[in-house]
Amino acid sequence: EIVLTQSPDFQSVTPKEKVTITCRASQSISNYLHWYQLKPGQSPKLLIKYASQSVSGVPSRFSGSGSGTDFTLTINGLEAEDAATYYCHQSRNLHTFGQGTKLEIK
Amino acid sequence: QVQLVQSGAEVKKPGSSVKVSCKASGDTFSSAYISWVRQAPGQGLEWMGGIMPSHEKANIAQKYQGRLTITADELTTTVFMDLTSVTSEDTAVYFCASGHDRMASWGQGTLVSVSS
Repeated sequence: EIVLTQSPDFQSVTPKEKVTITCRASQSISNYLHWYQLKPGQSPKLLIKYASQSVSGVPSRFSGSGSGTDFTLTINGLEAEDAATYYCHQSRNLHTFGQGTKLEIK
Repeated sequence: QVQLVQSGAEVKKPGSSVKVSCKASGDTFSSAYISWVRQAPGQGLEWMGGIMPSHEKANIAQKYQGRLTITADELTTTVFMDLTSVTSEDTAVYFCASGHDRMASWGQGTLVSVSS
């Protein structure tokens, strides 16, 4: 099973700040890495697909990069509505999710 | 893009089984891949398994092998998740999601509570 490890687990940030969340895979997954946002009481929302491809309807402040084993989700100009937990997900070999990164807005 | 609507909340006794449905519409059902993902209280997302309706065999995560069955009915465009021998640790919100790789569409979630 491919294990995904995110860091940090928790981050408290101020609006307009730049946020970086990393996701490391236990083996190479090429670009089969996707990012989701999950808010309490809602269903997960796809933010970035295939490591760096944008998703229709998602604000441009969300971007992704990486390939192989190391990936990054960046939020440029954090907004209050971005308070949520963020998950990476690999689909190279079946599916697994990272443990999540909770973003708190100060 | 496929739209997914799940069945309602369930309350189960330990040792029993629970079956949750996920009705798909709006896209080619047979070629879609539908996954089941759960989130236990205070925990993260966990992929349980998935199925392409045109294939008979589902992929099941090792943790759930022997206890989880995923089936699809092409006539009603519905996917089912059947989890047996449930315990309190199976209390969670269960989601279905569509996508061979990225999961672009999600159901609304079904709360399953296991309590004696």
